[in-house]
Amino acid sequence: DIQMTQSPSSLSAFVGDRVTITCRASQSINSFLNWYQQKPGEAPKLLIYAASTLHSGVPSRFSGSGSGTDFTLTITSLQPGDFATYFCQQSSSPPPTFGGGTSVQIK
Amino acid sequence: DVQVVASGGGLVQPGGSLRLSCAASGFTVSSNYMSWVRQTPGKGLEWVSVIYPGGSTFYADSVKGRFTISRDNSKNTLYLQLNNLRVEDTAVYYCAREIAPAGMPAGVFYFDDWGQGTLVTVSS
Repeated sequence: DIQMTQSPSSLSAFVGDRVTITCRASQSINSFLNWYQQKPGEAPKLLIYAASTLHSGVPSRFSGSGSGTDFTLTITSLQPGDFATYFCQQSSSPPPTFGGGTSVQIK
Repeated sequence: DVQVVASGGGLVQPGGSLRLSCAASGFTVSSNYMSWVRQTPGKGLEWVSVIYPGGSTFYADSVKGRFTISRDNSKNTLYLQLNNLRVEDTAVYYCAREIAPAGMPAGVFYFDDWGQGTLVTVSS
């Protein structure tokens, strides 16, 4: 199975900050990488698919980049509703696997 | 509007069984790739099983031989039968639809239209 490693596992930031989360795959996954946001008590919600394509309805302050093994999720100007946990997930090779998550907390 | 309602979780002893359900509206379960994904504080999100529109099924190694995914087309409902449960199966179980977006290379898919999750606790 492809291992997905996210860093950091948690971070603290102010409203308005720029935040970057990294996801690394144990082997090349081309651009088959998705990002999800999850709030407590809720299911994950898709933010970005195919590494850089913004899902419908997702604010443009979210962006994704990368290919191969290294990917980033960037949130420009963090908003109060963005404090949540973020997960990456690869669809390159079955089974689909997820990163361990990055918790974004209010500083 | 799309809605997916999960049910069936609960407390069960090791070795016991449960059947989880996901009732969908707004799309046809049998026409879609439907997965179960579970989440634990320790292991995070873990894909469990998928059923294809054609009926093929696949499982994570950790549940193979113990869990069975199925669907009832007349009820537009997805199921996961959990047998011989272990303490390490304790998790919130989500169902989700796999979406392969148009215009993307084969292999690109994501999970969308998640159920709200149902908690399975395996403990004596």
